[in-house]
Amino acid sequence: QKEVEQDPGPLSVPEGAIVSLNCTYSNSAFQYFMWYRQYSRKGPELLMYTYSSGNKEDGRFTAQVDKSSKYISLFIRDSQPSDSATYLCAMKRSNDYKLSFGAGTTVTVRA
Amino acid sequence: EAGVAQSPRYKIIEKRQSVAFWCNPISGHATLYWYQQILGQGPKLLIQFQNNGVVDDSQLPKDRFSAERLKGVDSTLKIQPAKLEDSAVYLCASSFSGGVNTEAFFGQGTRLTVV
Repeated sequence: QKEVEQDPGPLSVPEGAIVSLNCTYSNSAFQYFMWYRQYSRKGPELLMYTYSSGNKEDGRFTAQVDKSSKYISLFIRDSQPSDSATYLCAMKRSNDYKLSFGAGTTVTVRA
Repeated sequence: EAGVAQSPRYKIIEKRQSVAFWCNPISGHATLYWYQQILGQGPKLLIQFQNNGVVDDSQLPKDRFSAERLKGVDSTLKIQPAKLEDSAVYLCASSFSGGVNTEAFFGQGTRLTVV
């Protein structure tokens, strides 16, 4: 069993729709949870960063962490064609630098 | 602020050949990472440097992979000899420090194809 599971998709939605992405994990020691966006042929860039359980909102993006269920989510409201990318979840333990990534979900927003 | 620079962007080699990748981190970033991203998978950490010292190389296949970071700035990653399964994107990242709350910035990567 992989440490971090993420449905690779692909996911195709019309412009303006809500995009819902999620990851599950098996290691209860993970405390820091991140979402990265990776455009084609580019490196990942940090989108959202959350510590422990709870919600975090930044513009059209909302990250949720449910540590009791070992489940994290990313929601993109009013999606735009420019949101078309691969979204990677990542997480790490306290006092640890090593990121454990999911496989990434490829999202296409149709104009 | 200039980002993480990597070269070359693309490389095609035959199996059993050797190849080297170069990375120039963001100025002032003490921590440098090399990740391997196989198609359809998330990045996997190969090695982490703090200045010019190795912090973690537990997932580096040391029989064929080597990396160095001379003078605590630029870094090179070498594969010798290459295998077909080494085909991947090799990402370099850097951060100001190796702390838990420190964001890592990624370069565009080097796409390696081994034929």
